[in-house]
Amino acid sequence: NAGVTQTPKFRILKIGQSMTLQCAQDMNHNYMYWYRQDPGMGLKLIYYSVGAGITDKGEVPNGYNVSRSTTEDFPLRLELAAPSQTSVYFCASSYSLQAETQYFGPGTRLLVL
Amino acid sequence: AQSVAQPEDQVNVAEGNPLTVKCTYSVSGNPYLFWYVQYPNRGLQFLLKYITGDNLVKGSYGFEAEFNKSQTSFHLKKPSALVSDSALYFCAVRGPSYNTDKLIFGTGTRLQVFP
Repeated sequence: NAGVTQTPKFRILKIGQSMTLQCAQDMNHNYMYWYRQDPGMGLKLIYYSVGAGITDKGEVPNGYNVSRSTTEDFPLRLELAAPSQTSVYFCASSYSLQAETQYFGPGTRLLVL
Repeated sequence: AQSVAQPEDQVNVAEGNPLTVKCTYSVSGNPYLFWYVQYPNRGLQFLLKYITGDNLVKGSYGFEAEFNKSQTSFHLKKPSALVSDSALYFCAVRGPSYNTDKLIFGTGTRLQVFP
């Protein structure tokens, strides 16, 4: 199993550009999550999904969109990039919600200039 | 609202000495508690969790954590630190109810083990 994979590893965007961060998992997990990690701030939940076709907002959803058309994929969309979105983005998945370990991808480092 | 605090930004310890990384939490009802570790340029990796039962939980790489309900703490410990344990450690909490379905992470503690 590849586990949770993320692409790209690193990206530089100009203000106002858009991009999609890709996330895929091959563990047949129902639940998937997007976090951002800022220095000294821990991880903040952006969006999550409890299954294909179902998504919900996390703690910091503004400026982002997600979709979940399949169990395996959970892309994160930035429509109008802003410097405040400079961060490291992690995708994670788990089989269920309660008391379940989350498995994390290697992260995408995004720089918005 | 549930929350978790890691009061130390950094912990320094000599190799071979015991280490403790502190975590306190606030949640209604019985918590689900987790420790994750992050090595440089990597995603988070699960270390251990407490759901119910024995207050002392053993996890990966020789780490353990003790759940203390009266002090609302879940400190991470290891009897003998290794240089390779140097990493960023995150405590996380989730409430037990259906509506409290999100994992809340602490701000992280950087562990530095010196040879």
